[in-house]
Amino acid sequence: AQSVTQPDIHITVSEGASLELRCNYSYGATPYLFWYVQSPGQGLQLLLKYFSGDTLVQGIKGFEAEFKRSQSSFNLRKPSVHWSDAAEYFCAVEDTGGFKTIFGAGTRLFVKA
Amino acid sequence: ETGVTQSPTHLIKTRGQQVTLRCSSQSGHNTVSWYQQALGQGPQFIFQYYREEENGRGNFPPRFSGLQFPNYSSELNVNALLLGDSALYLCASSPGTVISGYTFGSGTRLTVV
Repeated sequence: AQSVTQPDIHITVSEGASLELRCNYSYGATPYLFWYVQSPGQGLQLLLKYFSGDTLVQGIKGFEAEFKRSQSSFNLRKPSVHWSDAAEYFCAVEDTGGFKTIFGAGTRLFVKA
Repeated sequence: ETGVTQSPTHLIKTRGQQVTLRCSSQSGHNTVSWYQQALGQGPQFIFQYYREEENGRGNFPPRFSGLQFPNYSSELNVNALLLGDSALYLCASSPGTVISGYTFGSGTRLTVV
């Protein structure tokens, strides 16, 4: 069965520092992968998605993610974090049936001044 | 675009009662999915509706049921509420295919006492 693992429950970075959030997936074929962000009390917003092609994908708000098949990873990065980036981040993979998306448990990002 | 709207935003119910949550999908989206997000966890797939038919279901008991209407809005009904049903219920719409990624509503916070 497909699954998503986000090894870090929470991460704290200084404003202006770089960020990398880790995501590992379990999937039998070429996965469709997503990163979503959730601010407190809000729904989820799609940051970026990977279907095929270039393994480095660009998203909104200055985020990017790199798909590495050999490592079954899809890590999210940002070169310079802003205080407004503090939120919960979810990695997700589309189920083989195509009708549902499986989410990881999330990583809470804290940004310190 | 109006986005996905959910109502109500908050709800308190007593154990054993029934509840109906509502969702209006984004304009042009004919697929609606419902997710349950317990505190500190990632969203868990409940079911999906496509053109008024249930298109897939997660590991939730039959007391979780739904409807989709001709205008693609949707309802989630939960009967015989349990304390463990307390969660944020998220509605997400998509234009007929999961690989596009979802547009999420802000959710309904259900508390069962």
